[in-house]
Amino acid sequence: NAGVTQTPKFRILKIGQSMTLQCAQDMNHNYMYWYRQDPGMGLKLIYYSVGAGITDKGEVPNGYNVSRSTTEDFPLRLELAAPSQTSVYFCASSQDRVHEQYFGPGTRLTVT
Amino acid sequence: QKEVEQNSGPLSVPEGAIASLNCTYSDRGSQSFFWYRQYSGKSPELIMSIYSNGDKEDGRFTAQLNKASQYVSLLIRDSQPSDSATYLCAAPNSNSGYALNFGKGTSLLVTP
Repeated sequence: NAGVTQTPKFRILKIGQSMTLQCAQDMNHNYMYWYRQDPGMGLKLIYYSVGAGITDKGEVPNGYNVSRSTTEDFPLRLELAAPSQTSVYFCASSQDRVHEQYFGPGTRLTVT
Repeated sequence: QKEVEQNSGPLSVPEGAIASLNCTYSDRGSQSFFWYRQYSGKSPELIMSIYSNGDKEDGRFTAQLNKASQYVSLLIRDSQPSDSATYLCAAPNSNSGYALNFGKGTSLLVTP
């Protein structure tokens, strides 16, 4: 059981470039989440999904898009990267709503 | 905005002592609370969840919940240098119903 996996671990983007952060879980969890964590600012929810085909915005969705075509995968797309998107991105999943969430190892993204 | 508040620390305790970490929350409707441990450069790791008033013990960790005072705490007995990390308190986001609101975390340093 790998749990929640994320790729890549690190990435440097130039302003205006696009990329997709990958997230997968093998626990058959219905609920998946994307957070970003900036130093001293805590975790902020970007998008979440309650099942395949269903996604919704979180607290800070601007500049990001998601899709959920399968239960296992929940990729996060950055279009037209900006320096404000420099952060550490965590994907998480949970079995039920508002229950324990389990986090992936994170992707450290720098936009220059 | 419903919030979860924590003292950022750092909280410094000697090895073998009890570390007490505190968290307050503003949403009276919150029914479940979670403590995560995050080592520097790593992802949050769930260590405790508590759903009802009172104490919940798991090894050296005890979570305490007081819904009347909107207060949740984490006690770490016999603190070890390996407990040095940032501890995040989280409660469900009543607006979305699916995600967690995280505090900014308390940094704990256990000195030998």
